[in-house]
Amino acid sequence: GQNIDQPTEMTATEGAIVQINCTYQTSGFNGLFWYQQHAGEAPTFLSYNVLDGLEEKGRFSSFLSRSKGYSYLLLKELQMKDSASYLCAATRIGGTYKYIFGTGTRLKVLA
Amino acid sequence: GAVVSQHPSWVICKSGTSVKIECRSLDFQATTMFWYRQFPKQSLMLMATSNEGSKATYEQGVEKDKFLINHASLTLSTLTVTSAHPEDSSFYICSARDLDRGEKLFFGSGTQLSVL
Repeated sequence: GQNIDQPTEMTATEGAIVQINCTYQTSGFNGLFWYQQHAGEAPTFLSYNVLDGLEEKGRFSSFLSRSKGYSYLLLKELQMKDSASYLCAATRIGGTYKYIFGTGTRLKVLA
Repeated sequence: GAVVSQHPSWVICKSGTSVKIECRSLDFQATTMFWYRQFPKQSLMLMATSNEGSKATYEQGVEKDKFLINHASLTLSTLTVTSAHPEDSSFYICSARDLDRGEKLFFGSGTQLSVL
């Protein structure tokens, strides 16, 4: 089976740091993506983790622990434009290769 | 970067009509495309995997006769919502993977369907 969980909503202050968690239970797990999606728009790619550990990319970092079925997205120096939904997605192999998206976390950045 | 084009961006139709949504990969060949559906403030729900030259693979609970998928070429997949009803109103997004550029998924801009 497959199950991907994220908090539904988070609120943070401009300039702060926020961590968005994602837990997954996915058979045939291959890797984990993070996407950002503004309302009414298509998701845009943020990061991809296959191996355990932290991947840093500017203000955004993503972490994966395969043994724990856990990932997080870390956003530093928050800006108002970071207010969006953040989706984690697991890729799975075996049978049809597919991407399964989590429930999404709506982040609101306050001034 | 890779571009996936989707249109129309929005469509309003009467109940009972059929609506076709096109998804094109503009600068790469996509043997596989994915169709997602998204309700307001919810995440993307995978509807089906579209395979070039063969039948689409539908997720459990998705009616294949309702949502017709055709992937006739390496750059085009279409989703037809047949006999649309108000409950079919949703945001539909296609995506594709460029095998030459790793596992990143590229998304179309989405289609907002409103059925009256």
